[in-house]
Amino acid sequence: KAGVTQTPRYLIKTRGQQVTLSCSPISGHRSVSWYQQTPGQGLQFLFEYFSETQRNKGNFPGRFSGRQFSNSRSEMNVSTLELGDSALYLCASSPGTSGEETQYFGPGTRLLVL
Amino acid sequence: AQKITQTQPGMFVQEKEAVTLDCTYDTSDPSYGLFWYKQPSSGEMIFLIYQGSYDQQNATEGRYSLNFQKARKSANLVISASQLGDSAMYFCAMISKYSGGGADGLTFGKGTHLIIQP
Repeated sequence: KAGVTQTPRYLIKTRGQQVTLSCSPISGHRSVSWYQQTPGQGLQFLFEYFSETQRNKGNFPGRFSGRQFSNSRSEMNVSTLELGDSALYLCASSPGTSGEETQYFGPGTRLLVL
Repeated sequence: AQKITQTQPGMFVQEKEAVTLDCTYDTSDPSYGLFWYKQPSSGEMIFLIYQGSYDQQNATEGRYSLNFQKARKSANLVISASQLGDSAMYFCAMISKYSGGGADGLTFGKGTHLIIQP
């Protein structure tokens, strides 16, 4: 099976812009979770989507949003970018039927905000 | 709230030696899963091993084993016969069992930077 894919791999934006990141899960997986990784805060959970619905959300401002399509692909959007949004954004997929399932990660998108 | 503590920021180990990476966790949930991930410099998080809170036996996956001590809330990763390619960041993580409201996402520790020396 193909793994989780994320596009683009690298992005450079300026403050105030918005950005959309894409994630395609492993075939058959219906849950997609997003994480932000920074040197200062480590890995933090953003949100999880299952069957096109947001099931849970971490402690991030409303500038961070997402959606999931009927084919389970997910997008994450960050509006009004701030310097502190520079990070590695990782998405992970799992079957979605149990909270203890292994999540498989994609290669990540490195976002730099100037 | 859940918490993962990894007390070793960095470790140097000679090739072919065994290495133990420490992880302690804190949760009030009765059912949870514990994971170890490897993150090379490329950034991708690679799943290594899983241990369920009700599993009676320690999990093993090839050269990786998880030393699970539930009473001590400890889930150490043991890598046998380390290789140069094992050099990476290692993260311990946990998640609570789905309870109808959706998963809360993985809670990660700060990680241990493991360097294997030839």
